[in-house]
Amino acid sequence: ETGVTQSPTHLIKTRGQQVTLRCSSQSGHNTVSWYQQALGQGPQFIFQYYREEENGRGNFPPRFSGLQFPNYSSELNVNALELDDSALYLCASSRQQETQYFGPGTRLLVL
Amino acid sequence: DQQVKQNSPSLSVQEGRISILNCDYTNSMFDYFLWYKKYPAEGPTFLISISSIKDKNEDGRFTVFLNKSAKHLSLHIVPSQPGDSAVYFCAASGSISGGYNKLIFGAGTRLAVHP
Repeated sequence: ETGVTQSPTHLIKTRGQQVTLRCSSQSGHNTVSWYQQALGQGPQFIFQYYREEENGRGNFPPRFSGLQFPNYSSELNVNALELDDSALYLCASSRQQETQYFGPGTRLLVL
Repeated sequence: DQQVKQNSPSLSVQEGRISILNCDYTNSMFDYFLWYKKYPAEGPTFLISISSIKDKNEDGRFTVFLNKSAKHLSLHIVPSQPGDSAVYFCAASGSISGGYNKLIFGAGTRLAVHP
């Protein structure tokens, strides 16, 4: 059984640019959640997708957006990057309302 | 306002002894709690969970205790092994957090198990 995978592993962008991060969910999972983990903090919930629809959102501005595809993989898009967006972005997949399993994350650095 | 708090940023324990990691939460509407372990350059790995209808859940060397009146949970690792050295995150969820799949995490405790 393949676990959760994320790409790319690392990324460097400059302020104002746009970025797309990708996540492939674990086999049999239909829900994907995205989290941002800043240095020295715990992961913070960005949003969740269930059956291709957004199903809950945390305190993140609209320039953070996402998609879920029919195969349940997902993308996180961030527009107009700011320095504070530098963080580890984690994707977690699950069956609805069951335990979430995390991918290895994408480390984003905004210069 | 931090709803889930892990007040000890680090803990050092000798191999073979017990490790106790603590977590406090502020909202009594949380009703499901989880512990994750994270190694550098990896994502968090699920360890163990507990529902608010229980006060203890055990899985091998790992036991989670929940004290609802104190809004406190703890993770016990017995015996501790060097491979347990990692950052441990406590997380909570429930209808108050927007659904059972929206996890609210603490800041983590770095556990170091030394020989």
